Amino acid sequence: DGGITQSPKYLFRKEGQNVTLSCEQNLNHDAMYWYRQDPGQGLRLIYYSQIVNDFQKGDIAEGYSVSREKKESFPLTVTSAQKNPTAFYLCASSMPGLNSPLHFGNGTRLTVT
Amino acid sequence: EDQVTQSPEALRLQEGESSSLNCSYTVSGLRGLFWYRQDPGKGPEFLFTLYSAGEEKEKERLKATLTKKESFLHITAPKPEDSATYLCAVQVGGSYIPTFGRGTSLIVHP
Repeated sequence: DGGITQSPKYLFRKEGQNVTLSCEQNLNHDAMYWYRQDPGQGLRLIYYSQIVNDFQKGDIAEGYSVSREKKESFPLTVTSAQKNPTAFYLCASSMPGLNSPLHFGNGTRLTVT
Repeated sequence: EDQVTQSPEALRLQEGESSSLNCSYTVSGLRGLFWYRQDPGKGPEFLFTLYSAGEEKEKERLKATLTKKESFLHITAPKPEDSATYLCAVQVGGSYIPTFGRGTSLIVHP
């Protein structure tokens, strides 16, 4: 079945360490996204990519980095520069263009202590 | 100021008690409005896309409607398995990046 796989489901890190969250899709979608979700807040866009080897900053990109070397993969690195990294991270994909809904993975919950 | 506002933030219903969730938007040039369902600890699941005022879409106990300023998600005779957070998102103008509301948390008691 086609879908988006995020791994791991839970991730624990010490403050000051960089950590990379995995996102793989087999939907053949061109566009991929990373969102952050905090309690009481809507989904906030971190980065998005419309095509391989190209990506754009979203609303809250500071302290994060991404790469898009393959169409299927869009990993997110949470760097030590991110001041409040503990959150639920969601990866999504879509066909590029208007009126295309997003398809989401089941998220990674990152806890940094 | 939020461009997409969902109300109420939380809603508790008894099984069979119909109600509506609201998504109001202040953007101009709406291209599409999306409804998603999110279960705890999971990613959002797409429900509906609405494109123009007057449009309606249905799926089981859910019915989504759209006006020029807001959308409603009507839940008819809800069951406990309808308990979830419902998210609304809008696409505006030439951007395909959706803007999400904060969601409505629905709990249906048996």
